[in-house]
Amino acid sequence: EPEVTQTPSHQVTQMGQEVILRCVPISNHLYFYWYRQILGQKVEFLVSFYNNEISEKSEIFDDQFSVERPDGSNFTLKIRSTKLEDSAMYFCASSYFGTGPNEQFFGPGTRLTVL
Amino acid sequence: DAKTTQPTSMDCAEGRAANLPCNHSTISGNEYVYWYRQIHSQGPQYIIHGLKNNETNEMASLIITEDRKSSTLILPHATLRDTAVYYCIVRLGSGNTGKLIFGQGTTLQVKP
Repeated sequence: EPEVTQTPSHQVTQMGQEVILRCVPISNHLYFYWYRQILGQKVEFLVSFYNNEISEKSEIFDDQFSVERPDGSNFTLKIRSTKLEDSAMYFCASSYFGTGPNEQFFGPGTRLTVL
Repeated sequence: DAKTTQPTSMDCAEGRAANLPCNHSTISGNEYVYWYRQIHSQGPQYIIHGLKNNETNEMASLIITEDRKSSTLILPHATLRDTAVYYCIVRLGSGNTGKLIFGQGTTLQVKP
């Protein structure tokens, strides 16, 4: 069964450093998403991406964040200058665009720890 | 998207049916009820969705009341692996590629 993959599974970084989280969505999917979950809190939407453009972003997704689909398979989330409060699980998701249920398939997540 | 209300936590004995309720009294006519679950900090997993008819798949059944103001997710024979946080989400359905809005969900503990 196809699945979304994410690397690394755990990233530790120093405050102020740049990090890039990587995702490989399911191959025939066209919509891509990033969510995050701070420990003990709800899963929160960050950004959605379609046709090489951001479709929607949340208030969390400020100028420190960017997304990119550098090639036909990867989808990345970059945080330019990490803060302590960026520590969280980051989930990538993808969905197929069509008239079906369009459920989102999530990856296993990257745990980001900012020291 | 309409707001949903779920109990914070529930217990269920292994092998028994788990019935997870969700209230969505402000649901509009073109909104669907979706269920996802999250097993111990893994990525959320789609379970099932429905509009007004009851639905069943290999994972669960979804019962939606006639007035559509509430629904129940049924795991017919819960196992320890079903211990997870279950999220009821109301959103537009077919063709919808918009964000998912997660609440706190119901923490289901399946006990031996």
